[in-house]
Amino acid sequence: QQQVKQSPQSLIVQKGGIPIINCAYENTAFDYFPWYQQFPGKGPALLIAIRPDVSEKKEGRFTISFNKSAKQFSLHIMDSQPGDSATYFCAASSATGANNLFFGTGTRLTVIP
Amino acid sequence: DTGVSQDPRHKITKRGQNVTFRCDPISEHNRLYWYRQTLGQGPEFLTYFQNEAQLEKSRLLSDRFSAERPKGSFSTLEIQRTEQGDSAMYLCASSSEMNTEAFFGQGTRLTVV
Repeated sequence: QQQVKQSPQSLIVQKGGIPIINCAYENTAFDYFPWYQQFPGKGPALLIAIRPDVSEKKEGRFTISFNKSAKQFSLHIMDSQPGDSATYFCAASSATGANNLFFGTGTRLTVIP
Repeated sequence: DTGVSQDPRHKITKRGQNVTFRCDPISEHNRLYWYRQTLGQGPEFLTYFQNEAQLEKSRLLSDRFSAERPKGSFSTLEIQRTEQGDSAMYLCASSSEMNTEAFFGQGTRLTVV
């Protein structure tokens, strides 16, 4: 059973556009929600993360919006660039136990010049 | 380079052979994780170490898989009697007890022929 559901599977935007990737979870024990960026043949790289005590976090061109009551969170990429073309994964973890990450299935983003 | 290091980057092996992968975490990190990622999917948790103790194993980790972290520093993941279904990217990640952020290595791409 997929613990974190991610959509869309793929996304194409023009340079300067604002792609939005959405994730939803069921486990209310999750208390840490990171986003990772992955290029082909590379490991995932941590982009930005949020905890449930805030509704929004911004780092550079990347913003996470978090809705605790709906158990949803999303990534917005402002002023997207061709270099942002990659696969993006949302994830979630709980401080109890191993604190391992449960990943979504990924969104393949293409930014057209 | 102070990031997570994995070796080898690529491994091709014949079905039935044993393979071993190595992970060197970020030096001050006492938590180490192994994940497996198949094409088009997010990483899936395999196992977790805190220092030298293996504290959690996923059901994905069949009895052909074994992981060690003998001195609480580097870790090895061994797969015995490899099967074609073991073909995947094996990722290692590390984090500290004080900070949830997990950093991934570049992964080892295993192909079983």
